[in-house]
Amino acid sequence: DGGITQSPKYLFRKEGQNVTLSCEQNLNHDAMYWYRQDPGQGLRLIYYSQIVNDFQKGDIAEGYSVSREKKESFPLTVTSAQKNPTAFYLCASSTGLLNTGELFFGEGSRLTVL
Amino acid sequence: AQRVTQPEKLLSVFKGAPVELKCNYSYSGSPELFWYVQYSRQRLQLLLRHISRESIKGFTADLNKGETSFHLKKPFAQEEDSAMYYCALKTGANNLFFGTGTRLTVIP
Repeated sequence: DGGITQSPKYLFRKEGQNVTLSCEQNLNHDAMYWYRQDPGQGLRLIYYSQIVNDFQKGDIAEGYSVSREKKESFPLTVTSAQKNPTAFYLCASSTGLLNTGELFFGEGSRLTVL
Repeated sequence: AQRVTQPEKLLSVFKGAPVELKCNYSYSGSPELFWYVQYSRQRLQLLLRHISRESIKGFTADLNKGETSFHLKKPFAQEEDSAMYYCALKTGANNLFFGTGTRLTVIP
């Protein structure tokens, strides 16, 4: 089944702990993205990566970190520095520099910090 | 700075009635706009892009640069159109800037 797989779907963590969200794609896409979705705020870009071993900050990168060691994988770490980490996180990929404007999304991961 | 405004959080229409989901944008560059849709228990997916001038599932959207709008329209709403709709603006080469979304409910 081709597509983007995010795990876990639900995650609970204590305040002050780092947590890593997984995103894997088998679409052979070069570019991958992480968005955060909060009620009433739409989707906001955290980080994106155009190619392996390269990534760029998005609009709300503070308190987050990423890596892109493999084309298929783009994990997101929510660090203890993120002031308000409870949110729904969406991973996406595209064939390149968004030439067609089409992002392919995962099902999302809901993080709750207690 | 770029901005995408979807003024209606919720919109309800009766089946068979026309529907219009509003989207206004603010962007200093040449805009490329898109509509994304998320049906219940499905992933967010692209519905249509302004540059294609296409009709998808009966929906159309025209870019009006004078009014900086990209409203999504369908002449006769169907129950299966009930979903969350997001307007998105491409800013630069690598970012889609999303609006806050409108939840459309089509009443049978």
